[in-house]
Amino acid sequence: QQQVKQSPQSLIVQKGGISIINCAYENTAFDYFPWYQQFPGKGPALLIAIRPDVSEKKEGRFTISFNKSAKQFSLHIMDSQPGDSATYFCAPGFGNEKLTFGTGTRLTIIP
Amino acid sequence: DGGITQSPKYLFRKEGQNVTLSCEQNLNHDAMYWYRQDPGQGLRLIYYSQIVNDFQKGDIAEGYSVSREKKESFPLTVTSAQKNPTAFYLCASSIVGHEQYFGPGTRLTVT
Repeated sequence: QQQVKQSPQSLIVQKGGISIINCAYENTAFDYFPWYQQFPGKGPALLIAIRPDVSEKKEGRFTISFNKSAKQFSLHIMDSQPGDSATYFCAPGFGNEKLTFGTGTRLTIIP
Repeated sequence: DGGITQSPKYLFRKEGQNVTLSCEQNLNHDAMYWYRQDPGQGLRLIYYSQIVNDFQKGDIAEGYSVSREKKESFPLTVTSAQKNPTAFYLCASSIVGHEQYFGPGTRLTVT
């Protein structure tokens, strides 16, 4: 079942630009909307997360925008840096326990 | 990788052999999880446990088994019944209802 659709699959952004990754979900019972960052050969790490009672959350250069009616949420990375080059996963779920991971977006930041 | 140890990093086995992957955490977390990661498919939940001596099947439990005899340990056995065992296996732990922390992963190759 394709409960979570993430786009784009890959993204190339110039240093200093804005990176935008989108996640669409089907299950309206999801109540936790995180983004994970994964570097090659490592486990994912939580980057930022939002609950459905808030439409936007910002932490430093990272912002989550949440659109409950459209069943979508997105990750915005401002002033993208080469160190941001990684694979990003959305993983909506119930509480923080049963997460459903998207297929990932490979982000490359070029000088 | 925050106190979660997975060993070994790389594991090679012949087809038809069972193999056990180790996961240990010193974070005093009650909940532990096993995920499988394949290229282009994100992470999929195999098993999870919220308390010692209890565990639940995830989305792809067939061909796998787990035990939770100690709070700190959640080993995963990949049995010969698993049709496509070659993958990157990730263990995670959390305080129930809170962020999941991932280990560094074990890359299993079965030939």
